[in-house]
Amino acid sequence: DQQVKQNSPSLSVQEGRISILNCDYTNSMFDYFLWYKKYPAEGPTFLISISSIKDKNEDGRFTVFLNKSAKHLSLHIVPSQPGDSAVYFCAASEYDKIIFGKGTRLHILP
Amino acid sequence: SAVISQKPSRDICQRGTSLTIQCQVDSQVTMMFWYRQQPGQSLTLIATANQGSEATYESGFVIDKFPISRPNLTFSTLTVSNMSPEDSSIYLCITGGSDNSPLHFGNGTRLTVT
Repeated sequence: DQQVKQNSPSLSVQEGRISILNCDYTNSMFDYFLWYKKYPAEGPTFLISISSIKDKNEDGRFTVFLNKSAKHLSLHIVPSQPGDSAVYFCAASEYDKIIFGKGTRLHILP
Repeated sequence: SAVISQKPSRDICQRGTSLTIQCQVDSQVTMMFWYRQQPGQSLTLIATANQGSEATYESGFVIDKFPISRPNLTFSTLTVSNMSPEDSSIYLCITGGSDNSPLHFGNGTRLTVT
C-alpha cells in the first residue's frame, strides 16, 4: 500500500512554461513534506519542503503547495529550464519516518 | 526490483564509540548512497559509495568521521566514528542504478548517542 503516490511517471513541458508535479498521500499524520530532484548517476538532492502548518512555500522558481484536506501537494516550477529535466521525488515525513513516492520524470522541451 | 536489508535498525551508543551500519542489496546496483536524516528535516547526503574505490563525500562530511566500504555491487557499510550526541540521527542507504533504475531505500538505522 503506497502511502505516497506520484501518479504521473513522466511529464513533458515546453521550456519557459510552468511545470506542475503532483503528489498524493494517505497518512494524515505526515507533518512535513519534501521534494527531491535526481539527475542520472547522482543521488537525490533536496529541493524544497513544506511543513503541514503551511499551505505554500516558495523558493525562487520553485513553489510547493499543500492541500491537507485533499492530502495533496504539488511542485510548481516556473519558468521551466532545460536544467530542470530530472526525476522528481515527493516525500512525506512523520517524525523519524520518511516515505518516498516513485518519482516523476520531467522533460523540458526546447 | 531491488530489496535492501539495512542493519541494525536502531542502536543506542555511548559517546566516543563507533557504530558500523550495513546495507545489503539482493541484486547488483551501480549507485549506492548514504544519507542522514534528522527529525523533521530533509535527507542530507553524506557520501556516494563507489565500488572498489574511495567514497565521494559531500561538503561537511569526511572519511575519518564516516568511513565507508563498498567491496562489491551488493554491499556497503557506513561507520559513524567517535560518536557524539550530535550524531544522533537516522542513517539511510539508498540505491539507484543508471538513469532508468528506480530508487530503493533501506529501512534506516535510528542512532541515539548518549
